[in-house]
Amino acid sequence: SQTIHQWPATLVQPVGSPLSLECTVEGTSNPNLYWYRQAAGRGLQLLFYSVGIGQISSEVPQNLSASRPQDRQFILSSKKLLLSDSGFYLCAWQGQLNTEAFFGQGTRLTVV
Amino acid sequence: LAKTTQPISMDSYEGQEVNITCSHNNIATNDYITWYQQFPSQGPRFIIQGYKTKVTNEVASLFIPADRKSSTLSLPRVSLSDTAVYYCLVGGYSGGYQKVTFGIGTKLQVIP
Repeated sequence: SQTIHQWPATLVQPVGSPLSLECTVEGTSNPNLYWYRQAAGRGLQLLFYSVGIGQISSEVPQNLSASRPQDRQFILSSKKLLLSDSGFYLCAWQGQLNTEAFFGQGTRLTVV
Repeated sequence: LAKTTQPISMDSYEGQEVNITCSHNNIATNDYITWYQQFPSQGPRFIIQGYKTKVTNEVASLFIPADRKSSTLSLPRVSLSDTAVYYCLVGGYSGGYQKVTFGIGTKLQVIP
C-alpha cells in the first residue's frame, strides 16, 4: 500500500534561518507531488507541484523553493525564513490516473 | 478556474443528517467534484468524489444535479467525531491538482 511520510511534525526556527522539509512517498511510482501551506484559520494554499523528477512549478512567488531529487522525494526549502512563513505545511501525492490526493500529517512551522 | 463557494460554518446535533452544499458555477466539462475532511493539525482526508448524479460510499453521499453547478455532501447521522472542516474541490481531471484550490471550507461543529 502507498504511504506518505512528512517530517518533522513541528519546527520552531528563528527569522533568517534556513529551512528544509522533506516528504517521501512509498508504494507508488511517478506520482504528482504537492506542497501546500495553511495559515491559521485559512484554506490550503498550493505552493509547488511536481509531475516528475526535476520538474517543479511554483504557484505563488515567495522565498521558498522546492526540489524533487528522486521520484518519490519532495523537498521544501528556504534560505532565509520570514515571520510570514509560519504555518502548517502539507505534502501530498496523487497518482497519474487518480484524482484523489493523499496528504501527509503536516509540519507545523513557527518562525520566531 | 472553477471557483467554489460553500458555507463557512455549520452546527448540527449528534445523530442528525448534515448536508453541505457547494456552488461551482464555472465547472468545466472534465472537472470532477471532490470532498475532503480535515481535522485540526492533520492533513485533509478524501471523503468522496463524483462527476454527476449520485455517489455513495460507506462514509457519505454526494448529490450532483444535472447542470453540475452545485453539489451536496450528505453525512448521515453525524457524531462528535465528524466535527471537522469540509472542503469542496472542483477539478483534477487527468490526475492533476495543479489548478485545484482548497478554499477555507465549511467548519462543521457537531453538538452533543
